[in-house]
Amino acid sequence: EVQLVESGGGLVQPGGSLRLSCAVSGFTFSSYWMSWVRQAPGKGLEWVANIKQDGGVKNYVDSVKGRFTISRDNAKNSLYLQMNSLRAEDTAMYYCAKDQFAGFDPWGQGTLVTVSS
Amino acid sequence: QSALTQPRSVSGSPGQSVTISCTGTSSDVGAYNYVSWYQQHPGKAPKLMIYDVSKRPSGVPDRFSGSKSGNTASLTISGLQAEDEADYYCCSYAGSYSLRVFGSGTEVTVL
Repeated sequence: EVQLVESGGGLVQPGGSLRLSCAVSGFTFSSYWMSWVRQAPGKGLEWVANIKQDGGVKNYVDSVKGRFTISRDNAKNSLYLQMNSLRAEDTAMYYCAKDQFAGFDPWGQGTLVTVSS
Repeated sequence: QSALTQPRSVSGSPGQSVTISCTGTSSDVGAYNYVSWYQQHPGKAPKLMIYDVSKRPSGVPDRFSGSKSGNTASLTISGLQAEDEADYYCCSYAGSYSLRVFGSGTEVTVL
């Protein structure tokens, strides 16, 4: 069974940092691009970042460039998102997803990040 | 990287058809045949319903169909059922460096 399980979310003060993790099982993790997608409360989906199979190519939405870093550990079947200089507008549910170029499938259940003082 | 434009809501009675539009630009929807659609029920993760404009993943009912003309993609739900009530999002490849852009989302209501 394919599973993506996110963790690491929580409450953090503005300017703080968090590291999200996504543990993957059920498919050959090292063979696929992976993405992070977020959804602010009551709002739509926003693609955040993706990473190539070997970690050699990383892309970001403009609003997180210079603050977020996507990475992966193929030996541990894990995807990460290091989030620094967090802002209130980064408050969202963060999903990891297998990025099959043609579409994101499947998705994890999400981990909630709340940035507030 | 502006969001693709979708109607805020559409509605239909059981058995009817509804169509959701997704309007982008010549740099995303109009440039590539990499449009996907996602269904999201409240409190749940999104689910892929259509990829490559018009292809259905295994397990998705054939009453879901996709198309594209110019800078606008569309999702049609035929034979609307109660369980189709959800939010729907389009997504397009947006060019260099595998960027992606989502639509603003459409709430489908089954009357």
